[in-house]
Amino acid sequence: QKEVEQNSGPLSVPEGAIASLNCTYSDRGSQSFFWYRQYSGKSPELIMSIYSNGDKEDGRFTAQLNKASQYVSLLIRDSQPSDSATYLCAVNWDDSSASKIIFGSGTRLSIRP
Amino acid sequence: DVKVTQSSRYLVKRTGEKVFLECVQDMDHENMFWYRQDPGLGLRLIYFSYDVKMKEKGDIPEGYSVSREKKERFSLILESASTNQTSMYLCASSTSGQGGKLFFGSGTQLSVL
Repeated sequence: QKEVEQNSGPLSVPEGAIASLNCTYSDRGSQSFFWYRQYSGKSPELIMSIYSNGDKEDGRFTAQLNKASQYVSLLIRDSQPSDSATYLCAVNWDDSSASKIIFGSGTRLSIRP
Repeated sequence: DVKVTQSSRYLVKRTGEKVFLECVQDMDHENMFWYRQDPGLGLRLIYFSYDVKMKEKGDIPEGYSVSREKKERFSLILESASTNQTSMYLCASSTSGQGGKLFFGSGTQLSVL
């Protein structure tokens, strides 16, 4: 059974600080990794994708991947109240098929002013 | 902007009714998906289609069927609705080769009474 695990939270972070969201996955052969943001009552939207070990930065967001440890994380620098949302980690364990994506159940992030 | 449109935002049905959920995308994407999202369980794939008239079962297909007669439209059918199918239903699309980069519709909250 392939699994993607996230701490459900809520994770409370002061405004301006770094928020760190973590995700582990069970299948060592997983190939691509994604972070989606979901505001309350809305649908998920893709914010980051990462395919190789190391860091990938996009604005205030940094995705980190460590395939040896089967671990992917999302860092949000200078956290803003608008970052308050649920963050879903998704892992594609077979890039030859778009249906092989597994989502974690999400971490709820709250940025306090 | 990619647009994925779901026909209804909220739907209330009776047990035993046949229910149709419609989804249309305007970006000529090959892949279309139906997920359901329940608290604590995350996103679970019901069905997936990678081409017109082609479909593939996801993790939880029981009690559901799908139809894809045109590339832009993907329908989810609940043959005989039951109370345990009360959920948020999310349609998504992606292009081939970008399997994990899903674009979601706004969702349909279905209540079966």
